[in-house]
Amino acid sequence: KNEVEQSPQNLTAQEGEFITINCSYSVGISALHWLQQHPGGGIVSLFMLSSGKKKHGRLIATINIQEKHSSLHITASHPRDSAVYICAVMEDSGYALNFGKGTSLLVTP
Amino acid sequence: KAGVTQTPRYLIKTRGQQVTLSCSPISGHRSVSWYQQTPGQGLQFLFEYFSETQRNKGNFPGRFSGRQFSNSRSEMNVSTLELGDSALYLCASSGTGKETQYFGPGTRLLVL
Repeated sequence: KNEVEQSPQNLTAQEGEFITINCSYSVGISALHWLQQHPGGGIVSLFMLSSGKKKHGRLIATINIQEKHSSLHITASHPRDSAVYICAVMEDSGYALNFGKGTSLLVTP
Repeated sequence: KAGVTQTPRYLIKTRGQQVTLSCSPISGHRSVSWYQQTPGQGLQFLFEYFSETQRNKGNFPGRFSGRQFSNSRSEMNVSTLELGDSALYLCASSGTGKETQYFGPGTRLLVL
């Protein structure tokens, strides 16, 4: 069983919609990362969280350490947001990232 | 600052051969991590190096190895290549290993 579970696996939204991607994990962590991967492979780090909430432009990430759950929100979605969004956790005992399977997001005009 | 660079970007090998991939981290970063991405398994952690020491290794066979040099550049080697080793290999760097990771563009390896 994967230690990091993401939902949904696939998501299609219309431009302007509010989007939520969820991530649950089962181990003690030092931090949770949200990553974005566009076709072609390049990965960009969006957020690194250990508590609370972070906001960058239209993106908001939250984490609840007690419930072992994080969400990534995209407000006013745009077709350029179409990408795979990956949740990853770093266990508090080491330096390895464990990844979720990713959420493939398609935003249509 | 220049980003993380990986060479080569594309590689075709045949079964049984070996391959060496290179990663140059962002200047000042001492932690380099390597990852394998396949359609079936997704992203998986290979190993992490800090100041020339391997601190963590993922669940991969001994055919996968790596090293880090004193300038923080890192190489990974895969010996006796198998078809299943075809994948995108990504490296990422960070200051100490516990901060935001910056990913390179990856090396796409095809094993025939």
